[in-house]
Amino acid sequence: ETGVTQTPRHLVMGMTNKKSLKCEQHLGHNAMYWYKQSAKKPLELMFVYNFKEQTENNSVPSRFSPECPNSSHLFLHLHTLQPEDSALYLCASSQDGGGGNYGYTFGSGTRLTVV
Amino acid sequence: DQQVKQNSPSLSVQEGRISILNCDYTNSMFDYFLWYKKYPAEGPTFLISISSIKDKNEDGRFTVFLNKSAKHLSLHIVPSQPGDSAVYFCAASDNNNDMRFGAGTRLTVKP
Repeated sequence: ETGVTQTPRHLVMGMTNKKSLKCEQHLGHNAMYWYKQSAKKPLELMFVYNFKEQTENNSVPSRFSPECPNSSHLFLHLHTLQPEDSALYLCASSQDGGGGNYGYTFGSGTRLTVV
Repeated sequence: DQQVKQNSPSLSVQEGRISILNCDYTNSMFDYFLWYKKYPAEGPTFLISISSIKDKNEDGRFTVFLNKSAKHLSLHIVPSQPGDSAVYFCAASDNNNDMRFGAGTRLTVKP
């Protein structure tokens, strides 16, 4: 158990569906992140929440909508996705919120397939 | 703009030998550098880090070297073990911004 839990582990959805990814951390961290991992590409930062406030939106299309109701929970709402959005979506948390030397704690990810 | 680059997508070494994974970066403002290890079906896990004020950090079998003038860092694993087989991500941050990752290098350690 890494301390960061993501559900579901796998998700297959059609392009007209609406679904949500959930992330939960019990580490007392104050920053949470969504990353996208596509094959043979760097991890792409999507969203950052620091003390529940969104501090960064890395030019992500509006079909991805984050929600952070409290410092322990983070959601990624998905609607009208495209097949190229198929990827591994990783949630992470950290204590300092600014990267630094402490590292991030990652969840196991949600493998998303858009058909 | 890919600020952190891992130019070798894969590396294969024999058990007991040294594994050297390389990483280059372009942003001179980065002041922390980290390596993460990722097994299939799991998220990346923090392995080792180094501050820009140092040029070497060692933790057991793992050593990270930083060459600031060349904007290059490397991870040495010695001796390599089959359980080290995983994807290794290099990451970098400055203290005011979020972490940037490389594309990863898949290490295979053969028994």
